[in-house]
Amino acid sequence: GAVVSQHPSWVICKSGTSVKIECRSLDFQATTMFWYRQFPKQSLMLMATSNEGSKATYEQGVEKDKFLINHASLTLSTLTVTSAHPEDSSFYICSASTGDGYGYTFGSGTRLTVV
Amino acid sequence: GENVEQHPSTLSVQEGDSAVIKCTYSDSASNYFPWYKQELGKGPQLIIDIRSNVGEKKDQRIAVTLNKTAKHFSLHITETQPEDSAVYFCAASLPGSGYALNFGKGTSLLVTP
Repeated sequence: GAVVSQHPSWVICKSGTSVKIECRSLDFQATTMFWYRQFPKQSLMLMATSNEGSKATYEQGVEKDKFLINHASLTLSTLTVTSAHPEDSSFYICSASTGDGYGYTFGSGTRLTVV
Repeated sequence: GENVEQHPSTLSVQEGDSAVIKCTYSDSASNYFPWYKQELGKGPQLIIDIRSNVGEKKDQRIAVTLNKTAKHFSLHITETQPEDSAVYFCAASLPGSGYALNFGKGTSLLVTP
């Protein structure tokens, strides 16, 4: 089945630094990638939608200059949290669409802790 | 946009009993309704899904029903086991690969031996 590899699984960074999270679709071409953020004991909240070769579309309230999304190829999308602050600490999850409107494959998530 | 409501937020059952989780959605154009199981520190895992042209789907101990008229769908787990304990999320999406899933708030299921 479809597999999305997400790295790193966890990262600790200092306040003010940037962190990059990668998601790769291993055996299919992901025309669309979705990025979610999940706080403890809460649901997944959509941050942005990215289509290969296009600028990402951000949800209301999500700062596009802080959460940089790149989807340069059909198998790789990255999320960079710039100038991270403790409030950015969260669980970040990517999801790739297989293109048929019914397949959404999730990565294993990245636990970001900003100290 | 699509709004998905999920109930209950917590559910405790004894091993062997059945568990039912219900969700409603707001956009009648939604056509895909997956259910995910999420264990602590991991990404969501698809356990079953249903499309709008089907009323019911079953996979061993897990079943999902869809009522398009009422705009609600339910997850049924029979013969629950302790390893079923996790957080379950329902979701809905509009037609087309460019639409993200909209998630319910989740149900924390605890199966006690």
